Amino acid sequence: GESVGLHLPTLSVQEGDNSIINCAYSNSASDYFIWYKQESGKGPQFIIDIRSNMDKRQGQRVTVLLNKTVKHLSLQIAATQPGDSAVYFCAEIGGFKTIFGAGTRLFVKA
Amino acid sequence: GAVVSQHPSWVICKSGTSVKIECRSLDFQATTMFWYRQFPKQSLMLMATSNEGSKATYEQGVEKDKFLINHASLTLSTLTVTSAHPEDSSFYICSATGGGSDTQYFGPGTRLTVL
Repeated sequence: GESVGLHLPTLSVQEGDNSIINCAYSNSASDYFIWYKQESGKGPQFIIDIRSNMDKRQGQRVTVLLNKTVKHLSLQIAATQPGDSAVYFCAEIGGFKTIFGAGTRLFVKA
Repeated sequence: GAVVSQHPSWVICKSGTSVKIECRSLDFQATTMFWYRQFPKQSLMLMATSNEGSKATYEQGVEKDKFLINHASLTLSTLTVTSAHPEDSSFYICSATGGGSDTQYFGPGTRLTVL
């Protein structure tokens, strides 16, 4: 995988609201996408994935949307909770290569 | 399933010493392991990719003699930071793929502090 060392953009939401985290991917040939959650001082955790033959996949309180036309991926978190505060990374996989997005830091306000 | 562990979770060492970090896949065979470093409030930076039984592939700008990687078995990869200096202080994270899947499962990370 590759990634870029950048300072992370942040998203601040009120507890109970829905959160939408966006990711633009670069490779049209990518056919598999993953969202990871990384809490402070811990390694990234797998949240949800989606293949390119789908445009939506739902998990528990999370939904991933894929728009291949504009190469855009989003993660929706319903009823955001304080425990959702973390950095969220998208990953695109294709051609034996994984590319990570820069990540978005989610702050949940009580 | 798909659990990856790292050891140690935190290490403090003197400048000039070498530090070995282990990455283990606990419940699957990891054909490929990845090593990342992460600075505070920044994203993951891939250092190298290793396949079991072969030499690691290092990313541009990563010194292979400084960061020695060994992937001797399907469940263990090690990263040795040789002659560590304060600028090597960072959070080092490994990940692994296996079983025909491209999904990377990450370890919990190792915080290295070099004094």
